[in-house]
Amino acid sequence: QKEVEQDPGPLSVPEGAIVSLNCTYSNSAFQYFMWYRQYSRKGPELLMYTYSSGNKEDGRFTAQVDKSSKYISLFIRDSQPSDSATYLCAMSRNAGKSTFGDGTTLTVKP
Amino acid sequence: SQTIHQWPATLVQPVGSPLSLECTVEGTSNPNLYWYRQAAGRGLQLLFYSVGIGQISSEVPQNLSASRPQDRQFILSSKKLLLSDSGFYLCAWRAGESEQYFGPGTRLTVT
Repeated sequence: QKEVEQDPGPLSVPEGAIVSLNCTYSNSAFQYFMWYRQYSRKGPELLMYTYSSGNKEDGRFTAQVDKSSKYISLFIRDSQPSDSATYLCAMSRNAGKSTFGDGTTLTVKP
Repeated sequence: SQTIHQWPATLVQPVGSPLSLECTVEGTSNPNLYWYRQAAGRGLQLLFYSVGIGQISSEVPQNLSASRPQDRQFILSSKKLLLSDSGFYLCAWRAGESEQYFGPGTRLTVT
C-alpha cells in the first residue's frame, strides 16, 4: 500500500465550479502538507503549504488537513480554464523529504 | 529571489550512452537539493537528495548517480543508460521546513 493515495481523476468541470481534490495517507507522523500544481511539460509549482491540522486559504484556494482521518483536501472556488493542470499532494514527517501522490488531472471547460 | 535552472530541457540518448544533467540554484546558500523522476501520468519518485557539498543520499538503487561539486550545483549522471531511464527529471531545492521549489525539468528519452 502506498503511503499517499490521491484520487486519480481525471476530473472535468465547467468554468465557475467548485473543485475538490483529495488525498489520504497512512503515516500518522506526517506533519507538513503541500499542494503543487503542474502544467503540462513543466515543473510543479507550490500552491499551498500547511503545517499540522486545520484550514488555510489563499484567494480561490483552500487547503484542509484532517490528521485524525489522515485526509487532506484542496478546494478551488470559481474555477477557471487556467486552473487546468495536474495537482499533486505531498507530505513529510519533518524538514526534508516529501512523499508525493500520483496527481489528479483537472480540466476546467469554458 | 531564488531561481533554479536545469539543462538541457530535452534530451534523446541511445541505450548504453552516458548521461549528465545539471541543476543550479541562485539566490540562496547551502540549500537542500533533490533529484526526482516523473514517469508519464505519475507522481514524483525521489532519486537523490543532498544536504551539502559532497553529501548525497540515494533513495532508489539503480544505474544513476548524483554529485554535488559546489554548494548550488547538483548533477545527475549515468554511465550507461537503460530504456527504463526515460522520464521527466526534476531538480528541486527546499525552502523553510518542507516546501520545495522545482526547476523546469529535463525530458529524457532513451531510444
